[in-house]
Amino acid sequence: DSGVTQTPKHLITATGQRVTLRCSPRSGDLSVYWYQQSLDQGLQFLIQYYNGEERAKGNILERFSAQQFPDLHSELNLSSLELGDSALYFCASSVVGAGGHEQFFGPGTRLTVL
Amino acid sequence: LAKTTQPISMDSYEGQEVNITCSHNNIATNDYITWYQQFPSQGPRFIIQGYKTKVTNEVASLFIPADRKSSTLSLPRVSLSDTAVYYCLVGPRRGDAGNMLTFGGGTRLMVKP
Repeated sequence: DSGVTQTPKHLITATGQRVTLRCSPRSGDLSVYWYQQSLDQGLQFLIQYYNGEERAKGNILERFSAQQFPDLHSELNLSSLELGDSALYFCASSVVGAGGHEQFFGPGTRLTVL
Repeated sequence: LAKTTQPISMDSYEGQEVNITCSHNNIATNDYITWYQQFPSQGPRFIIQGYKTKVTNEVASLFIPADRKSSTLSLPRVSLSDTAVYYCLVGPRRGDAGNMLTFGGGTRLMVKP
């Protein structure tokens, strides 16, 4: 158990819909990262937040957005969903400032778009 | 971030030592080398990190030659439960932010009985 929690574990929805994925980082971690992993694909970095502010952006589509709240939990919003958005979405957290790339990953949310 | 190249897949047998090599020819002076392990449908798990020479922890060893253009993850006496995908990442340790990770395709290790 990494200490990072993600909800829901599974999500099934239809094309064109909007969903929200939630992540709670490890206690004390200020940074939250979101990744997408499609079937048999590598992990794609989407976005990073640090203490409520966006700090790095990767291959995140304009239909996707995220935010980090004052209690440090984060939400990833996916809208106008397409079949190709079906994937595992991972959240990770780290103590930025401690240095290093050690990120602690959550169990993921499996999104299925029908 | 430095690009990495690692074998797509490797097979081994229980009890053997497994060495997975990663090439990173354009590694920068302030880059560190980090390895993650991922089981199917689970998030990656940090294994080990190093800058130069050799690093060892309870799980693995990381060997980095003087030119740092490659690194080798060594897993001693693997078991069936070590079957997973192993990712090599290279990048700076940043205390401020932008600690973005770029995962390549990884190496699929299959441990056979």
